[in-house]
Amino acid sequence: GENVEQHPSTLSVQEGDSAVIKCTYSDSASNYFPWYKQELGKGPQLIIDIRSNVGEKKDQRIAVTLNKTAKHFSLHITETQPEDSAVYFCAASGSGGYQKVTFGIGTKLQVIP
Amino acid sequence: IAGITQAPTSQILAAGRRMTLRCTQDMRHNAMYWYRQDLGLGLRLIHYSNTAGTTGKGEVPDGYSVSRANTDDFPLTLASAVPSQTSVYFCASSPASGGAGEQFFGPGTRLTVL
Repeated sequence: GENVEQHPSTLSVQEGDSAVIKCTYSDSASNYFPWYKQELGKGPQLIIDIRSNVGEKKDQRIAVTLNKTAKHFSLHITETQPEDSAVYFCAASGSGGYQKVTFGIGTKLQVIP
Repeated sequence: IAGITQAPTSQILAAGRRMTLRCTQDMRHNAMYWYRQDLGLGLRLIHYSNTAGTTGKGEVPDGYSVSRANTDDFPLTLASAVPSQTSVYFCASSPASGGAGEQFFGPGTRLTVL
């Protein structure tokens, strides 16, 4: 089955700096890679996703890159703000019929004002 | 109701007791999921349902059962709770039956089994 590794488990950055979270996956058939943000006391919420037919996707201060050859993908947050503080999860899944979504263990991001 | 709701918000339960966690969505999504979240282990899939009337086992199904009698509801039952089932439980739904699409999560149920 799919295995998703995520690092770092915790990350502290100064407000305004960039944050990068990296994930690797094991199943070369995986082709959908979402990122979820979980604020304290809430359920995870999708912030960006990428499919295997593209290498990079941006949405304002957030970007995700995908390297299919190396089987890794990364989340980049620029100009971090205190409200970016949360736990971030990467995930991977395939397509066709039901494909289980496998989540990473999460990264706790702290943005220091 | 807007989105996906879960009940109760939290519960303390004696070991051996039966417990049902409720989940309801009003988005008419086909697929629904139950996850448990444990520190250091991320989100692990317990059971899923691609559409009303069907269910499937996820990564950690032992000790749990689900039913999907209609589109909106997807209850999770612990037949005889054990302390290792202490966790935060999240219900989620998605429009597509496959896994490759956005999942919408409920606010979670914090369950403590003593």
